[in-house]
Amino acid sequence: DQQVKQNSPSLSVQEGRISILNCDYTNSMFDYFLWYKKYPAEGPTFLISISSIKDKNEDGRFTVFLNKSAKHLSLHIVPSQPGDSAVYFCAASGGNYQLIWGAGTKLIIKP
Amino acid sequence: DGGITQSPKYLFRKEGQNVTLSCEQNLNHDAMYWYRQDPGQGLRLIYYSQIVNDFQKGDIAEGYSVSREKKESFPLTVTSAQKNPTAFYLCASSPRTGWNEQYFGPGTRLTVT
Repeated sequence: DQQVKQNSPSLSVQEGRISILNCDYTNSMFDYFLWYKKYPAEGPTFLISISSIKDKNEDGRFTVFLNKSAKHLSLHIVPSQPGDSAVYFCAASGGNYQLIWGAGTKLIIKP
Repeated sequence: DGGITQSPKYLFRKEGQNVTLSCEQNLNHDAMYWYRQDPGQGLRLIYYSQIVNDFQKGDIAEGYSVSREKKESFPLTVTSAQKNPTAFYLCASSPRTGWNEQYFGPGTRLTVT
């Protein structure tokens, strides 16, 4: 039973446009959400996070939106750059030791 | 430079052999984790450790073993009992258990034939 779902395995976006990556979750006990970026053959790197008490968090070109009623979060990247091409993972935490991970979305930025 | 190191980056073993993957951190973090990543899947937790000399099973601990004799080190042994050991293995750490952000090493690609 997948508690965190990223339904788009891949996404292709033109350089300079907005990239929107989506993530859905089923467990209402999750109270913290994270986005990680991963290049091939490397470990994931933390990108941005959001607590369940907020509905938006911004960091430079990256904004995460949380819709608790829909159990949905999204990552917006504006403007998209070639270096943004990577796999993006959504992860959720219920306050214990464990992060629950989505399967990832491969973002391809076209020049 | 503070960080997490994993060695080697690529590892090849014959079926039936045990193999140990190294993970070292100099971040002074209390908690350490081992994950496995398979193509098209999210990261799955194998083992985690909150403190020296203590560790707990994650979701997929069968066929794996760990030790935590030093704060800096959390080696993972893939035993011959692991039915499908070929995967990308990631080690992570966090300042303490329950700290949401985890910091990852570069990973080890294990291939068992």
